[in-house]
Amino acid sequence: GEDVEQSLFLSVREGDSSVINCTYTDSSSTYLYWYKQEPGAGLQLLTYIFSNMDMKQDQRLTVLLNKKDKHLSLRIADTQTGDSAIYFCAETHDSSYKLIFGSGTRLLVRP
Amino acid sequence: DVKVTQSSRYLVKRTGEKVFLECVQDMDHENMFWYRQDPGLGLRLIYFSYDVKMKEKGDIPEGYSVSREKKERFSLILESASTNQTSMYLCASSPTGAYTGNTIYFGEGSWLTVV
Repeated sequence: GEDVEQSLFLSVREGDSSVINCTYTDSSSTYLYWYKQEPGAGLQLLTYIFSNMDMKQDQRLTVLLNKKDKHLSLRIADTQTGDSAIYFCAETHDSSYKLIFGSGTRLLVRP
Repeated sequence: DVKVTQSSRYLVKRTGEKVFLECVQDMDHENMFWYRQDPGLGLRLIYFSYDVKMKEKGDIPEGYSVSREKKERFSLILESASTNQTSMYLCASSPTGAYTGNTIYFGEGSWLTVV
């Protein structure tokens, strides 16, 4: 079945880059997403990448997709304390309503 | 701005009680969702509705039911709450005919504790 996996925790120092990794099993994934959840809040879409792309950059965020290895990563440059949150990877295929979420990676940014 | 409002942020209920979680969206979206979020498990889909009075089971529907009498409102019902339903519940909505992931909007969540 479909599965999305992430490591549960990442700690970085303020100003460093953060890299959050995700692997997925569904080879028919069309879109892959990164969501951010701040404490006590719902999920906010950060960025997404279509499966025929390798990379997408949006200000401090860089998404890399390796379709062969079914590996997705989110790089946050110059990580700030405000980036501390849980980051969820998710995937869907075609125009499916169903999003498959990973377990979430808690990012802690140390001053 | 799209707004998805979950009326109860924090609830404490007793085992066996009937629990209603209400969600309202103001963007005339066709699709509405209820997810459950647990540490280390991510978000799991409980139920989905694509139109008024229409519903589909998600991945973990057992112990839950839903009601969609009006387009803007989607209710999650726990007929007889149990302690293993202690969790954070997230409502979401999205328009139809679009890739869900980049058009889905989430509420702020309802923390339910069953004692």
